Parts: sequence; C-alpha cells; structure tokens
Amino acid sequence: DAGITQSPRHKVTETGTPVTLRCHQTENHRYMYWYRQDPGHGLRLIHYSYGVKDTDKGEVSDGYSVSRSKTEDFLLTLESATSSQTSVYFCAISESVIGGTEAFFGQGTRLTVV
Amino acid sequence: KNQVEQSPQSLIILEGKNCTLQCNYTVSPFSNLRWYKQDTGRGPVSLTIMTFSENTKSNGRYTATLDADTKQSSLHITASQLSDSASYICVVSFLYGNKLVFGAGTILRVKS
Repeated sequence: DAGITQSPRHKVTETGTPVTLRCHQTENHRYMYWYRQDPGHGLRLIHYSYGVKDTDKGEVSDGYSVSRSKTEDFLLTLESATSSQTSVYFCAISESVIGGTEAFFGQGTRLTVV
Repeated sequence: KNQVEQSPQSLIILEGKNCTLQCNYTVSPFSNLRWYKQDTGRGPVSLTIMTFSENTKSNGRYTATLDADTKQSSLHITASQLSDSASYICVVSFLYGNKLVFGAGTILRVKS
C-alpha cells in the first residue's frame, strides 16, 4: 500500500458524541480526500483538501468537518455522530486526478454509531 | 446527472473461466476512466487508467476497453483465479476539478 495510514481502523461510538478519524500520508501528495462507502452505493466524497488549510466540500458533507494543518495529516470530524453516519470511511491521496495521475486509498475505518 | 453504472451487480464464475464486467457513464466533461479492485476489508487498488484517447489497456490478466463515443467501458478478466474474488469498481474523473465519480461496483466470486 502507498504510505497511507488511517486510524482507528474500527470504532464504535454512541449517538451524539464527536468522533475524529485520522488519515496520515508519507507520500507528500498535495490532494487528500475523505470518502464514505455504503452498501449499494459507490464511494461518495465527503470533503477534500488541495493543500494545507485548503479544503472544500464534497457531495455528502453535511454533519462532517475536516482540517489539514500539515501536508501529511487530514482529519475528519463527525461533530455529533448519528446512526446514518455508520459507514466505512476511506482516505485517498493523489497529486491530481486529472490526466491519469494515480489515486491511492487507505485501508478504511469502519465506524458504527449506536 | 453525472453517474457511473455497473453491471452485473454480482457474478459467480468457475476458476479458469473468463468474464467481462460493464460500465456505463454519463460524466461530462470526461477526463479519464479507472478500474479498481477492492478486496473485502481493504481499500480500492488501481488496475487501469484510460484517457479518452485510449481504447484499451492491459494489466496482466485484466484488460480494460473504453468507447468514449458511447460512454461505455468494460473490464475483461482472463483465466480467472480464486484471488480475483473481489469488488471491481469503475471510476470516472471530471475534466475540471479533482473529483471522481464511483460506480457501485460488481462483486465477483470465483469458485473452484
């Protein structure tokens, strides 16, 4: 796997609690992404970052926030977890997706909100 | 609406047989199309990437084709192995902006 580490790999949390997922890369890639994967759906973009402190929303950003204070770290926070946020979360990195640049994915974090 | 649709949803084949997975997309403007393999419990791993000017690309026993006019792609797997059991995901990139549109995937099971 490209140098991407997600933590934790598994988490169970209660409704209403804040949760932070971490993505750490050692590839020095400019772009970092958070996706969620649910049965019957393709991966859906939550937020992405195009540089330190530069982030933008994806298609399913409600209830999530992100921060990127260093090139290597991209944090995803569920401000008040809900059962609908039970999912598998993937971090991805790339230099650019335009023109065929490779995108690399982490191993995923399975989050269960009870 | 920019979408990627894959068929079939799932497929079971015998070890050693060939199979073809389909992908239709409506993403526009289009930059490139990728096929990923996702093993259970792991992140997607790239198999091929094709730009609009490429018709075919191979990676070992995997061969992807692209028809940009009809907006269709296929992934052909030759001489399947048990390790090919996975979800295969078609992904299309927009020409502008750094965003990918993912299909829901085809779940392939290869049995002995």
